Amino acid sequence: DAGVIQSPRHEVTEMGQEVTLRCKPISGHDYLFWYRQTMMRGLELLIYFNNNVPIDDSGMPEDRFSAKMPNASFSTLKIQPSEPRDSAVYFCASSLFTAYNEQFFGPGTRLTVL
Amino acid sequence: AQKITQTQPGMFVQEKEAVTLDCTYDTSDQSYGLFWYKQPSSGEMIFLIYQGSYDEQNATEGRYSLNFQKARKSANLVISASQLGDSAMYFCAMRDRTPGNQFYFGTGTSLTVIP
Repeated sequence: DAGVIQSPRHEVTEMGQEVTLRCKPISGHDYLFWYRQTMMRGLELLIYFNNNVPIDDSGMPEDRFSAKMPNASFSTLKIQPSEPRDSAVYFCASSLFTAYNEQFFGPGTRLTVL
Repeated sequence: AQKITQTQPGMFVQEKEAVTLDCTYDTSDQSYGLFWYKQPSSGEMIFLIYQGSYDEQNATEGRYSLNFQKARKSANLVISASQLGDSAMYFCAMRDRTPGNQFYFGTGTSLTVIP
């Protein structure tokens, strides 16, 4: 398996622009997680899905952030409008169902908002 | 309350020595999993080792072992024979069944291996 795939790997944009991050989980995994990592705040869970349904989005910082999972093999995280404080590395991860299954992380998207 | 606590922001170890990274957890669930991840300076998150709450034996994976003390709710990572390539950030994580099978991560420990 190719592992979790994220695109783009790097994104540089200007404040106010819309940013869309993409994730393809490992085939057969029924959980998908979006994280944000910064030096100041560490690793933060933004939202996670089970069988394409959002379970907990309490980590989404504000209404500018939205996430979708239209099918089992694709998810997006959108920021509109973007702000400099959104600059971070965004990770997508997927896992199987039980408490005994580890998460597999994608390589991350490094977002820079100027 | 924090679900996962890592109290060592930074650690140093001499090459070829063993090092223990501390992790304590908090859950009322009987079924849970404990995980350690490594994040080198290149940024990827690498899964290292896993321990299930019902496992009686401590998990081992090569030079990594997990010192699981259920009564103390601790899941320390032991790295034996440290190598320069072990220098990285290490995250402890737990997954239980409440409220929805999510993962909880600690704040991480930065390990530096000294030649």
